[in-house]
Amino acid sequence: ETAVFQTPNYHVTQVGNEVSFNCKQTLGHDTMYWYKQDSKKLLKIMFSYNNKQLIVNETVPRRFSPQSSDKAHLNLRIKSVEPEDSAVYLCASSRDHSNERLFFGHGTKLSVL
Amino acid sequence: QQKVQQSPESLIVPEGAMTSLNCTFSDSASQYFAWYRQHSGKAPKALMSIFSNGEKEEGRFTIHLNKASLHFSLHIRDSQPSDSALYLCAVNSGTYQRFGTGTKLQVVP
Repeated sequence: ETAVFQTPNYHVTQVGNEVSFNCKQTLGHDTMYWYKQDSKKLLKIMFSYNNKQLIVNETVPRRFSPQSSDKAHLNLRIKSVEPEDSAVYLCASSRDHSNERLFFGHGTKLSVL
Repeated sequence: QQKVQQSPESLIVPEGAMTSLNCTFSDSASQYFAWYRQHSGKAPKALMSIFSNGEKEEGRFTIHLNKASLHFSLHIRDSQPSDSALYLCAVNSGTYQRFGTGTKLQVVP
């Protein structure tokens, strides 16, 4: 039963273009995350929001910017994509930002040509 | 910075065998330890978690934590082909979970 919804599933674009990914959770959770999963399947945290407030911003290039309109939505914009941005972007949510299990969306696979 | 590493990188076991996966971490102040499973092309899904030293069993799965050794593990009893997946350990680093490098498990009939 999916409760974290991501769109689009796939996106193919060219270097320098701008892309946006959307994420919505219906679990009533306070905290949402963006993780990047590379070709070796390594999951790295990018951003975390707790109740619309940014609480984690790992070492991420400035061309990445998260946007949260309310605690159920967390979008990700990449201003000018680079080839190394090709990856699966996974959105997740949890009840709060401490020791709680994460619920993941199915991911958005980005291919940069 | 917290480092989380897994071993082995990949594993092939026969159906019915016991599977053991390992995870080491570097921050002794970590408080939450979890295992996730990701089938090919699917979202990672939480399997089980533990807070304090010791063992916890849920069905065929057992998680074991030894904070002094900075190590926790996942054991799968009677491994099934449907257990074939990428297994990811995670450790809470304050405000988010940091994931390990993953173990790819294949259970062959």
